[in-house]
Amino acid sequence: DAGVTQSPTHLIKTRGQQVTLRCSPKSGHDTVSWYQQALGQGPQFIFQYYEEEERQRGNFPDRFSGHQFPNYSSELNVNALLLGDSALYLCASSRRMITQYFGPGTRLLVL
Amino acid sequence: DAKTTQPPSMDCAEGRAANLPCNHSTISGNEYVYWYRQIHSQGPQYIIHGLKNNETNEMASLIITEDRKSSTLILPHATLRDTAVYYCIVPKNAGGTSYGKLTFGQGTILTVHP
Repeated sequence: DAGVTQSPTHLIKTRGQQVTLRCSPKSGHDTVSWYQQALGQGPQFIFQYYEEEERQRGNFPDRFSGHQFPNYSSELNVNALLLGDSALYLCASSRRMITQYFGPGTRLLVL
Repeated sequence: DAKTTQPPSMDCAEGRAANLPCNHSTISGNEYVYWYRQIHSQGPQYIIHGLKNNETNEMASLIITEDRKSSTLILPHATLRDTAVYYCIVPKNAGGTSYGKLTFGQGTILTVHP
């Protein structure tokens, strides 16, 4: 049984560019949450998707947007990248927003 | 989320039990206690969760006090691979059995020594 998968594992972008990160949930899960983890900090909640709708959102600007597809996979989009967006981006999946299981993360470096 | 307080760091000898405490004095009656851990540069790993009864799984045991204001995660036989940051989280009940965001604090850095 595959766990949560994320792609890519690493990427490098420059300021002002846009990036799309992808997440496939664990089998049987229908909810996807995204977190940002800056170096030395705990993960910070970005938003959560259930039934293809954003259900909750953390304190992140509108440059951060997402989407959930009918197969429950999800994308995180970040526009107009800033240096401060450099972080580990984590996806977590769950069934009906209960226990969340995390993927390995995508490490984004903005230069 | 209910606020949680954990010691910043703890040490444990390999093979001994590691007991990680967490205070959550503002927990509500229908809120669960969750424990996750994060090994360096990896995604957080779910360990265990509980409401009021003690829980045990293949990874750990969770002891919750009768008043539910504190809990202890027990790793019965710690190994070097258990060295990680351990997070105690009480997610807000978003309604029914649904839970929303997880709010991660600073956690406890557990170092297991040979």
